[in-house]
Amino acid sequence: GQQLNQSPQSMFIQEGEDVSMNCTSSSIFNTWLWYKQDPGEGPVLLIALYKAGELTSNGRLTAQFGITRKDSFLNISASIPSDVGIYFCAGRDNAGNMLTFGGGTRLMVKP
Amino acid sequence: NAGVTQTPKFRILKIGQSMTLQCAQDMNHNYMYWYRQDPGMGLKLIYYSVGAGITDKGEVPNGYNVSRSTTEDFPLRLELAAPSQTSVYFCASSFPGPSTGNTIYFGEGSWLTVV
Repeated sequence: GQQLNQSPQSMFIQEGEDVSMNCTSSSIFNTWLWYKQDPGEGPVLLIALYKAGELTSNGRLTAQFGITRKDSFLNISASIPSDVGIYFCAGRDNAGNMLTFGGGTRLMVKP
Repeated sequence: NAGVTQTPKFRILKIGQSMTLQCAQDMNHNYMYWYRQDPGMGLKLIYYSVGAGITDKGEVPNGYNVSRSTTEDFPLRLELAAPSQTSVYFCASSFPGPSTGNTIYFGEGSWLTVV
């Protein structure tokens, strides 16, 4: 099956720092999604990407769909304590409707 | 503004018991999904449905059953609970189409412990 490698697995940063995380896949995707999961909650969609090269922002968050269509990154600028949570990438290929999820990046922010 | 609603939120089961996790969505989405999330891990697809009357296995279907008699509801059944089924279960739904890109929306999760 498809493999999605998400890195880093965890990050512990100081408030105000910028954060970068990425996902790489073993196959080409036509959709990349980034989700955030707060403790005890379900994942919530942050950014959706549908075209290779696409760069999309949502407030302090910016995500890009890699040109090769096998990777995507998510940047968070000027982190704040409420950014704490687990961030998941997810990708969908042309073959079907199913999403493959990365293993998640656990973000911790020190005030 | 309900979106995807799951019940129960928490449940403890004894080995061998059976139960049903309920899921309902009010967004008229064709597609519905059940995922499980083990501690510190990503989401694994159990079953999915592309419309009423149609269900298909996902990545980890063993030990589970689903049905989709209506567009709104997609219950997940555990027939003989095992400790390996201790997990957090997420129901999700989506509406396919170029404008939505088949974005998936999740419920808040159901925490299941099998002892």
